[in-house]
Amino acid sequence: GQQVMQIPQYQHVQEGEDFTTYCNSSTTLSNIQWYKQRPGGHPVFLIQLVKSGEVKKQKRLTFQFGEAKKNSSLHITATQTTDVGTYFCADRTPSGNTGKLIFGQGTTLQVKP
Amino acid sequence: DVKVTQSSRYLVKRTGEKVFLECVQDMDHENMFWYRQDPGLGLRLIYFSYDVKMKEKGDIPEGYSVSREKKERFSLILESASTNQTSMYLCASSSLWRERGDFGPGTRLTVL
Repeated sequence: GQQVMQIPQYQHVQEGEDFTTYCNSSTTLSNIQWYKQRPGGHPVFLIQLVKSGEVKKQKRLTFQFGEAKKNSSLHITATQTTDVGTYFCADRTPSGNTGKLIFGQGTTLQVKP
Repeated sequence: DVKVTQSSRYLVKRTGEKVFLECVQDMDHENMFWYRQDPGLGLRLIYFSYDVKMKEKGDIPEGYSVSREKKERFSLILESASTNQTSMYLCASSSLWRERGDFGPGTRLTVL
């Protein structure tokens, strides 16, 4: 079935360093969504990418969708302690008129002040 | 704002008990989801419902069933709870297949 693989599982960075998490699929994705889960919280939607090669930015966060629509990445420039949490990508490829929401394993980011 | 609520934040049950986890959303969403979250395993889809009385199995449906009698409510049922079902359970909803998922706060279930 649908499956997305996310790496790395954990990342520790010094505040101010950059961070990147990668999401890969063996099948072509229709669209991909990114979520952030703060410690003790629930996942919160960040963004959705739909077009091949799409790049979107939210302040220090840059999201990319691969040309073949089989991979995606989230890059954070100059991390801050507020960036701490687990970042998930999610496959929202439709099946008929419906669509499951399938998540990767997540990347947990720790930021040392 | 969409509000997704779950019946309990914390729940402790005994092995063999029947457990009901309730999820309610207030935005008339068609799609509702149940996930369990375990360290290192991410969010795994248990069941998905795309309309009243309609459901699809996710990746790990064994030991679970669901009920969706009304559009706003999606229930997860553990027919006979086991210790390996101790986990965080998260409910989500969305309007259409291409739309964002909105999550409830989660229920941390412990089965003793």
